[in-house]
Amino acid sequence: GAGVSQTPSNKVTEKGKYVELRCDPISGHTALYWYRQSLGQGPEFLIYFQGTGAADDSGLPNDRFFAVRPEGSVSTLKIQRTERGDSAVYLCASSVNRVSPLHFGNGTRLTVT
Amino acid sequence: AQTVTQSQPEMSVQEAETVTLSCTYDTSENNYYLFWYKQPPSRQMILVIRQEAYKQQNATENRFSVNFQKAAKSFSLKISDSQLGDTAMYFCAFMENAGGTSYGKLTFGQGTILTVHP
Repeated sequence: GAGVSQTPSNKVTEKGKYVELRCDPISGHTALYWYRQSLGQGPEFLIYFQGTGAADDSGLPNDRFFAVRPEGSVSTLKIQRTERGDSAVYLCASSVNRVSPLHFGNGTRLTVT
Repeated sequence: AQTVTQSQPEMSVQEAETVTLSCTYDTSENNYYLFWYKQPPSRQMILVIRQEAYKQQNATENRFSVNFQKAAKSFSLKISDSQLGDTAMYFCAFMENAGGTSYGKLTFGQGTILTVHP
């Protein structure tokens, strides 16, 4: 079946603007994760959803970042008042359950000018 | 907190030869998982191999194998018979195994760019 889908693939926005990044997980996967990968670095954990609820949001850098998963499927990562330091690739992953292997999407490259 | 270190920013190998990528980690946990992921230019992270810390036997997946040294906190990846399609960034990653409360919160290293030359 289809893999994890992330849209848009690339997003360019101006400093101070609001952006939304979307993740469509594999059908039936209850666990969903967001990671952020800065240039030349490994991904860093942002948030974990089990079903509709955020079970661990300890990786969100500040209150400008927020994520939702209202129906336990699609998730949206929202960034308010974007800053140039937010520029990175945002990766989404899903898994059948908490301990199953993660399946990653191709990420959204966010560039804040 | 756990840390994962990959000390080789770049590696290169000739097609059909063998290459080893290094990874060390630091943790106070006794139960955990270790992973190697491959990231080609498409940006998708692809799982290459997984090792459970309580298993002494090194994991293997076709041309990929690991050398897991728990006491030394070392987890290297060996790629045999390298192929052009192996060219990618490789990441070592750590995940706690907390029994019934575990989930896929991974700590990644900085990555190693591997280039396979024809």
